[in-house]
Amino acid sequence: ETGVTQTPRHLVMGMTNKKSLKCEQHLGHNAMYWYKQSAKKPLELMFVYSLEERVENNSVPSRFSPECPNSSHLFLHLHTLQPEDSALYLCASSQDWAETNYGYTFGSGTRLTVV
Amino acid sequence: GQNIDQPTEMTATEGAIVQINCTYQTSGFNGLFWYQQHAGEAPTFLSYNVLDGLEEKGRFSSFLSRSKGYSYLLLKELQMKDSASYLCALSNYQLIWGAGTKLIIKP
Repeated sequence: ETGVTQTPRHLVMGMTNKKSLKCEQHLGHNAMYWYKQSAKKPLELMFVYSLEERVENNSVPSRFSPECPNSSHLFLHLHTLQPEDSALYLCASSQDWAETNYGYTFGSGTRLTVV
Repeated sequence: GQNIDQPTEMTATEGAIVQINCTYQTSGFNGLFWYQQHAGEAPTFLSYNVLDGLEEKGRFSSFLSRSKGYSYLLLKELQMKDSASYLCALSNYQLIWGAGTKLIIKP
């Protein structure tokens, strides 16, 4: 399998639940990203990992907790979310962090609904 | 700042030509990307402009003018499958995204 794969594609969770989003890339890239995409808003960068080390954390609430066990896998652990956290969560990868001339490769996203 | 502006939504007719603009205010960047995103799917790469001018790829072309602070994506011979959102992004050490333009193609 090639590219960036995200699971699950859809997730409905209550505000007291704990769930995790998974991302896997088979491109040999060194950097991985979590983005939040809300309607009519620019992509919001949440976290960046380079070679399994977190390099960016853009003031994301602590109810979102990332984990990068190796350069091919990225998780986003969710707990006590709010309805305004409902959005499409996109994972992306790139050859290297801060080298953007080759762009990013995205997964299809997880559509999250918090009820 | 690096504000990036795109029209929220555009409508065009199958077979026609449409130009989607992207304007920005920034002190410097490496290049400008265009991505296409169908509803519920991953954004996919369309083009990357580093130098001023027009880059043509089949039915799609992208233009950049650094001095005027804008780019556009030109889509020719529109097909129904071109209905999607089109995102522009500036690159420096990370990508800075516009909010995207939703393009609706009508028969």
